[in-house]
Amino acid sequence: DVKVTQSSRYLVKRTGEKVFLECVQDMDHENMFWYRQDPGLGLRLIYFSYDVKMKEKGDIPEGYSVSREKKERFSLILESASTNQTSMYLCASSRWNSYEQYFGPGTRLTVT
Amino acid sequence: RKEVEQDPGPFNVPEGATVAFNCTYSNSASQSFFWYRQDCRKEPKLLMSVYSSGNEDGRFTAQLNRASQYISLLIRDSKLSDSATYLCVVNGPVTDSWGKLQFGAGTQVVVTP
Repeated sequence: DVKVTQSSRYLVKRTGEKVFLECVQDMDHENMFWYRQDPGLGLRLIYFSYDVKMKEKGDIPEGYSVSREKKERFSLILESASTNQTSMYLCASSRWNSYEQYFGPGTRLTVT
Repeated sequence: RKEVEQDPGPFNVPEGATVAFNCTYSNSASQSFFWYRQDCRKEPKLLMSVYSSGNEDGRFTAQLNRASQYISLLIRDSKLSDSATYLCVVNGPVTDSWGKLQFGAGTQVVVTP
């Protein structure tokens, strides 16, 4: 069974803190994605990686960075968390030649 | 303008009834279309791909209308377990890297006993 796991289901951080969200997939997928999901806005792509150490900006990369040192792991970093980054964060993965994305359970981040 | 637009609903459907809803997409060059399902407080999961000729998967039928740039989903004989948010998904612009998708905000369906 395919599996994408995320390090936390719920996270509460203070403004200005550095935040790390980790995602691990066990399907040997080449592509990995980080989205945020907000009511009425749907899923918006933050960053995308198609290979180890490779990354591309998505639609809303400002305030975020990513790291992919190993194929199975894709990390999202909030350098200095702000209240407008309170959201549900979803990680996904897919094969290099497929549009079918498999999602992790999500991390609900609250920044106070 | 959003790349993919959906009626947020909710569509309240009696059990056993049929419900249908559409989504529109803005990029006429889009080639790949999907419906994902997202249960409350869960992650999205692929429900079905949408092919040019239309396709069925059990009680679910998906259609594509390229001329008007919309896709539709029809659910027959609705079950309580069909209650979910249905996300319309389209591949990104040609200039995008392979695998990137554009997601609609979702249509909520509530099936009532």
